[in-house]
Amino acid sequence: NAGVMQNPRHLVRRRGQEARLRCSPMKGHSHVYWYRQLPEEGLKFMVYLQKENIIDESGMPKERFSAEFPKEGPSILRIQQVVRGDSAAYFCASSLTSGGPDTQYFGPGTRLTVL
Amino acid sequence: AQSVAQPEDQVNVAEGNPLTVKCTYSVSGNPYLFWYVQYPNRGLQFLLKYITGDNLVKGSYGFEAEFNKSQTSFHLKKPSALVSDSALYFCAVRDIGGNTPLVFGKGTRLSVIA
Repeated sequence: NAGVMQNPRHLVRRRGQEARLRCSPMKGHSHVYWYRQLPEEGLKFMVYLQKENIIDESGMPKERFSAEFPKEGPSILRIQQVVRGDSAAYFCASSLTSGGPDTQYFGPGTRLTVL
Repeated sequence: AQSVAQPEDQVNVAEGNPLTVKCTYSVSGNPYLFWYVQYPNRGLQFLLKYITGDNLVKGSYGFEAEFNKSQTSFHLKKPSALVSDSALYFCAVRDIGGNTPLVFGKGTRLSVIA
């Protein structure tokens, strides 16, 4: 039973380019969460999606960042016109339901480096 | 607003000794509480969670945590530490009242010395 999958594991972009991060949830999970981790810090919530819907994007910067979770295929976190401050590890998690006690299972992360 | 505090950036313990990693939380209502572990260049692995009921929660790899409502704490413990337990540990909280995001602490780095 495959866990949460993320690709690429490492991504290098130059300032001004676009970064696309992909996340495939665990089988049977339809709830996806994206988090950002800066060096020596905890994870910060960015966005919560269900299939074809954004439920909560309160943690996502208003500009340059977008997320989607289409009916078919993985969830995508897209960062346009990347800047050096976007360098971080981006983690995706999935859960079976949206219920409060439901465990979120994390992928291995994508480490984005902006040159 | 929800928040989590992990007051120690680093905890060092000798192999075979008991370990404690501290966590305190703040929520407006009642909490759901979680512990995760992160090994270098890996994602977070779920260890255990408190939902309701018994204050002592047992989880993976021999870890346990005790929910203390009066002290708003959820400390992670293990009776006998292993070198392989060395990792970064995160406490997280979610308010029971709504579908709010998980809020994480900054993490505590545990080093178990042989």
